[in-house]
This record gives sequence, structure tokens and C-alpha cells, in this order.
Amino acid sequence: DVKVTQSSRYLVKRTGEKVFLECVQDMDHENMFWYRQDPGLGLRLIYFSYDVKMKEKGDIPEGYSVSREKKERFSLILESASTNQTSMYLCASSFRTSGSNEQFFGPGTRLTVL
Amino acid sequence: GNSVTQMEGPVTLSEEAFLTINCTYTATGYPSLFWYVQYPGEGLQLLLKATKADDKGSNKGFEATYRKETTSFHLEKGSVQVSDSAVYFCALSGGTSYDKVIFGPGTSLSVIP
Repeated sequence: DVKVTQSSRYLVKRTGEKVFLECVQDMDHENMFWYRQDPGLGLRLIYFSYDVKMKEKGDIPEGYSVSREKKERFSLILESASTNQTSMYLCASSFRTSGSNEQFFGPGTRLTVL
Repeated sequence: GNSVTQMEGPVTLSEEAFLTINCTYTATGYPSLFWYVQYPGEGLQLLLKATKADDKGSNKGFEATYRKETTSFHLEKGSVQVSDSAVYFCALSGGTSYDKVIFGPGTSLSVIP
């Protein structure tokens, strides 16, 4: 079974702190994605990566950065956390062959910024 | 650009009722269509998919047919169970953006005994 793991299920941080969210997948997927999920807004794509050291901005990249040093690991970084970044963060991965490929999701990290 | 619209929730049904969740899409090219499900406290998982017009995806008693003429991919189940309570997301991928998936806003379903 494909497994996508995220470093924390719940995280509480203070405004201004630097926050790292880690995601690891074990299926040798080329593509990895970070989304945030908010009530009434569904999933919004923050960043994605289709190869090691490659990254592309999604729909809401402001206030975030990412790092992909190894194929299996994709990190989301909040340089200076703010209260409006309180949300559920979901990581996903997929093969890079065609648009018909399934994305596999991690369980999510619920981040609260105080 | 590509987009997905799905019916507003929440939807509350009694056990064994018939379920329909409407989904329509806008896309250029020939997208693949998906339904994902999110059970409480979990990430999303693929429920079913269809990759070309008139394809029917099915899984766990759920079905959806890719209708290009009406740009729709409605989710149906003949008899829902309490365990089907979850949030359902319609999504598309492909067309002009092969690697990204566009998700609808989600429809929350509660099934009561």
C-alpha cells in the first residue's frame, strides 16, 4: 500500500515562529503537493513539485515556501507564522505520467497559530 | 481555467436512502474526473474515477458516469449506510494541466440510522 506520512497530526505555534511541516511518501512518486483545507473553501493548492529540487507555485503560495531535497520528502515552511495560517494542511503524491493518476494523501496536520 | 462545481451541503439522509451528489466541471481538453472521500479525521482517498467520456467509475456501491455533453460527473449510491458519512470531493485533472488536480469545495454527507 502507498503510504504518505506527515510529521505531526496536531501542531500549535505562536505568531512569528518558523514552522516546518514534513511529508514523506514511500511509492517513488515524482509529484508531491501541499494543500490547505478550510471550511467552505475546499482544498487549495499551495505548492507542488514534480521532481527533486523542482517546485511550482500553486494557487495560494504567499507566506509559504517549500523544499524538496530528496524524492520521497517534501517540506512546507511557514517563514513567520500568522493566525490566518491556522488550517488543516494536507500532503499528497502521485506518479507523473498523465492526468488520470490518483493522488495519495497523508492524514493531514492541523496547525493552530496563536 | 479549469473548475469544478458541486452541490452545497450538508446533506443528511436516512440509512438506505438513495444518494445523489451533483458535480459539473469546466475544462479544456479531455480531463480525467474523480470522486475523493474524506472520512472524519483522515486525509482524502480516491473513491472512483473515469478517464474518458461515457466511462462509469464504481466502487463500494458508488457510481458516477463521465458525461461530456453535460460536463457532469454526478455521484450516486442506491442505499447509503451510516459508515458512508464523510465529505465527498469531485475533482478533475488533465486537460491543459496534467499534473494538478482541481477539487470542488466538498459536500458533507451525514447518514442517520
